[in-house]
Amino acid sequence: DTGVSQDPRHKITKRGQNVTFRCDPISEHNRLYWYRQTLGQGPEFLTYFQNEAQLEKSRLLSDRFSAERPKGSFSTLEIQRTEQGDSAMYLCASSLGTGYNKFGYEQYFGPGTRLTVT
Amino acid sequence: KQEVTQIPAALSVPEGENLVLNCSFTDSAIYNLQWFRQDPGKGLTSLLLIQSSQREQTSGRLNASLDKSSGRSTLYIAASQPGDSATYLCAVSETSYDKVIFGPGTSLSVIP
Repeated sequence: DTGVSQDPRHKITKRGQNVTFRCDPISEHNRLYWYRQTLGQGPEFLTYFQNEAQLEKSRLLSDRFSAERPKGSFSTLEIQRTEQGDSAMYLCASSLGTGYNKFGYEQYFGPGTRLTVT
Repeated sequence: KQEVTQIPAALSVPEGENLVLNCSFTDSAIYNLQWFRQDPGKGLTSLLLIQSSQREQTSGRLNASLDKSSGRSTLYIAASQPGDSATYLCAVSETSYDKVIFGPGTSLSVIP
């Protein structure tokens, strides 16, 4: 399977615990994105990496959230001291973009990690 | 601030009907527009991507149009099938690094 993969697919945790999700993008894709989707809504942008550099973070990404992409390949998203409001689907996407393209590049999404905070 | 809206929020049609889903965006300065499909509890599947200089894209029974100046896009599904039942999301990219802004989606149910 050469698509975007995410692990775990489901995570149930108690409030106050830390959780970490992993995303493996399509191998030749330099750009990697994290989105959060709550029930009945479209995904909302969280953060973006170009290779290993984190170039933008949404205001949705509070200081309890941290994302890394240490070698420009897979990425992790960690949530510390989880709250019930963190319950959502966390989606990872990747694209081929390596530089400026005025038309943009198509994003490919993984299956998501469903987080439930009890 | 870019906002994307979709009408209707939900749609139920009998099998075989042709249907149109609508998407509007507030800022016409976009790079591209994508239509995605999402099955319940699953990730997103890209259906069509329209570049800002294009007017439409077609894939099988799907046709998407883009009127950038008016901030509108439509997704046309011909001869709908029960397997088309899903949520359809419209998303625009307004930066060179492709961050996309999504609409809330249209939930489609095709009745056999």
